[in-house]
Amino acid sequence: DAGVTQSPTHLIKTRGQQVTLRCSPKSGHDTVSWYQQALGQGPQFIFQYYEEEERQRGNFPDRFSGHQFPNYSSELNVNALLLGDSALYLCASSFGTQAGELFFGEGSRLTVL
Amino acid sequence: GQSLEQPSEVTAVEGAIVQINCTYQTSGFYGLSWYQQHDGGAPTFLSYNGLDGLEETGRFSSFLSRSDSYGYLLLQELQMKDSASYFCAVREDNQGGKLIFGQGTELSVKP
Repeated sequence: DAGVTQSPTHLIKTRGQQVTLRCSPKSGHDTVSWYQQALGQGPQFIFQYYEEEERQRGNFPDRFSGHQFPNYSSELNVNALLLGDSALYLCASSFGTQAGELFFGEGSRLTVL
Repeated sequence: GQSLEQPSEVTAVEGAIVQINCTYQTSGFYGLSWYQQHDGGAPTFLSYNGLDGLEETGRFSSFLSRSDSYGYLLLQELQMKDSASYFCAVREDNQGGKLIFGQGTELSVKP
């Protein structure tokens, strides 16, 4: 039973570029949430997708957008990258939007130069 | 505003018991969760408290007092592999799955 898988694991971009991160949820899960974790900090909620729609959003600018596909996988897109976007981006899946337990992937570490 | 406070670092020896506290100030409250994270890898769910009281899962227990906006994670019979970062997280509403995480407590277990 595969857990949550994310790609790529590491990537380096320059300011102003755009990036797309991908996530496949754990088998049987239908909800995907994205979190940003800066070094030494706790994860910060970006948004949650369920039934291919954004259901809830944190305090992130419109440069951060996402998508969920019919197979429940998801993408996180970040436009016009800033140095401050450098972080570990974590995807978490669950069954339903209010599950008490989230299953996280290993994350995609983004470095913006 | 919303804030969760937990100690930044805790050190203990193998076999000991350690308690990691978490106080929260949020606009709403629907439950307190605890997650473990090794070396910046995938956070792993440990426990969830929706109601006051103690929840026990093996060597780990978690407690919640909603009237005090306070909870803790208790780790017993510490092992070297328990060295990791521990995060408390609050769900503010029942509209979705948004969790507000604390800054994390780095636990170091010494031999």
